[in-house]
Amino acid sequence: GAVVSQHPSWVICKSGTSVKIECRSLDFQATTMFWYRQFPKQSLMLMATSNEGSKATYEQGVEKDKFLINHASLTLSTLTVTSAHPEDSSFYICSARDRRRSGDGYTFGSGTRLTVV
Amino acid sequence: AQTVTQSQPEMSVQEAETVTLSCTYDTSESDYYLFWYKQPPSRQMILVIRQEAYKQQNATENRFSVNFQKAAKSFSLKISDSQLGDAAMYFCAYRTPPGGSNYKLTFGKGTLLTVNP
Repeated sequence: GAVVSQHPSWVICKSGTSVKIECRSLDFQATTMFWYRQFPKQSLMLMATSNEGSKATYEQGVEKDKFLINHASLTLSTLTVTSAHPEDSSFYICSARDRRRSGDGYTFGSGTRLTVV
Repeated sequence: AQTVTQSQPEMSVQEAETVTLSCTYDTSESDYYLFWYKQPPSRQMILVIRQEAYKQQNATENRFSVNFQKAAKSFSLKISDSQLGDAAMYFCAYRTPPGGSNYKLTFGKGTLLTVNP
């Protein structure tokens, strides 16, 4: 089945530094990637939607300059948290839409736990 | 805008018993998809079952089945013969079909299912 590889699975960084999270679709072309943020025991909050080769569309309230999303190819999307602060600590999850299986639920990465100290 | 409501923050079931998780949604669309996702402690999102709104027949996947009531905008998940491995957070999700302008998944807040041995 479709697999999305997300790295790193966890990362600790110092306040003020930037962190990059990668999501790769291993056996399909991801025309659209979604990035979510999830706080403990809460639902997934959509941050942005990215389509290959075009700028990401951010949800209301999400800072575009803090959360940089790049979707340069059909198999790779990245989320960069810039100038990270402790309040950015969270669980980040990507999911990908396979153009061949438009009716299926999207495939999710395994998530990245970010801790900013 | 579409909304998804899960009114049960927590549920518990005895092993081998049956449990039903509730989900209601609000939409003005006539065609859409509904999903149930499972998020175990590993936090990997796993698709459990999906339902196309135009299909009257309720979807079934082994021990998992849904009761889809389109007029009532209700989409409950029944887990039969519950197993310890079913313990997880369950999310109900809504999505418009391909061709629409919005491919986003809208999630409910989740129901935490505990399975007691």
